[in-house]
Amino acid sequence: DIQMTQSPSSVSASVGDRVIITCRASQGIGSWLAWYQQKPGKAPKVLIFPASSLQSGVPSRFSGSGSGTDFTLTISSLQPEDFATYYCQQANSFPVTFGGGTKVEIK
Amino acid sequence: EVQLLESGGGLVQPGGSLRLSCVASGFTFSSYTMSWVRQAPGKGLEWVSGIGTGGDTYFRDSVNGRFTISRDNSKSTLYLQMNSLRAEDTAVYYCAQVTGSGSYWWGQGTLVTVSS
Repeated sequence: DIQMTQSPSSVSASVGDRVIITCRASQGIGSWLAWYQQKPGKAPKVLIFPASSLQSGVPSRFSGSGSGTDFTLTISSLQPEDFATYYCQQANSFPVTFGGGTKVEIK
Repeated sequence: EVQLLESGGGLVQPGGSLRLSCVASGFTFSSYTMSWVRQAPGKGLEWVSGIGTGGDTYFRDSVNGRFTISRDNSKSTLYLQMNSLRAEDTAVYYCAQVTGSGSYWWGQGTLVTVSS
């Protein structure tokens, strides 16, 4: 199975801050990586897939980069609605695997 | 607009069974590999099972032999038959399209609680 290691597990930040979340795959997955945002009680919302393609309707302050084993999600200027938990997911092969999540909290 | 609507969750005793359903609309269901993903209370996302367009099936180790996934393309419906349920299967179960190229979609989830 491909292991997805996401860091940090949590981050405290202020509105306007730049936030970077990283995800590392245990083996190469090309660009088969998705990033999700999840708010309490809601289903995950896809932000980016594949690795650097912003999904329709997602604000441009979100960006993704990387390929192979190392990936990043960047929020260029954190907004109040961005406080949530973020997950990476590899879609290269079954079993699908997710990172452990990064909770972005208000400083 | 793509919609995935899950149903069938509820409270079940350990060792019991439950069948989840997911009705899809807004896309050509038969053309997509579909999955079930779960999230235990306060925990992260965990893929459970997937089924390909040709009916090939995939399971995580902890549910293999207990859960069965199937699809009815004529009804645009995905199923998850869960047998021999355990307390650790308690979670919100999401129907999702999270493999292959193109867009990824998730339903709103259905809660399964395994408790005596």
